[in-house]
Amino acid sequence: DIQMTQSPSSLSASVGDRVTITCRASQGISNYLAWYQQKPGKLPKLLIYAASTLQSGVPSRFSGSGSGTDFTLTISSLQPEDVATYYCQKYNSAPLTFGGGTKVEIK
Amino acid sequence: EVQLVESGGGLVKPGGSLRLSCAASGFAFSSYSMNWVRQAPGKGLEWVSSISSSGTSSYIYYADSVKGRFTISRDNAKNSLFLQMNSLRDEDTAVYFCARWMSSVTPSGHWYSDLWGRGTLVTVSS
Repeated sequence: DIQMTQSPSSLSASVGDRVTITCRASQGISNYLAWYQQKPGKLPKLLIYAASTLQSGVPSRFSGSGSGTDFTLTISSLQPEDVATYYCQKYNSAPLTFGGGTKVEIK
Repeated sequence: EVQLVESGGGLVKPGGSLRLSCAASGFAFSSYSMNWVRQAPGKGLEWVSSISSSGTSSYIYYADSVKGRFTISRDNAKNSLFLQMNSLRDEDTAVYFCARWMSSVTPSGHWYSDLWGRGTLVTVSS
């Protein structure tokens, strides 16, 4: 099965910083990748699918890129409301594996 | 209101069984594939199982960690999704979410979970 590895597992950044989270697949998955945001005590929320397509209603400071095995989620200017754990998920085929998550905090 | 509501969680001893339910409302449940996803306390998301809109066995999948122990099913007439969990282990302790598996319009051929229930807690402990 394809493994999904996220890095870093956590990060602390200042408001306004550019934040980049990486997700690596152990085999190529084309662009069949989604990103979710889960705020503390809340449900996961879809941010991006097809590796780079922003879900409707998601702020434009979020962006995704990548194809094959290497993907990134970028927050162009970190806001206090972005404190959350971010997960990538592959969906090219079952199993629909999630990455281990990246916890984003404000410095 | 468009929503998913899980039920059936609780405390069970190792080796025991539970049946989770997910009631869908406000949308055409029979048109959507569905997933179960779990989250152990303080841990990340783990995909558990998927089922197609029709529920046919040709599109039912399980994570290796639950294969042979869990069974996903659905009753489209009752707008309900189920997860039968047998031979439960300590490591199955988690909040179990049902989630709608949506097919994208643009670009086509992609999928995502756009609707999640609030989850039901399963605790496996002696």
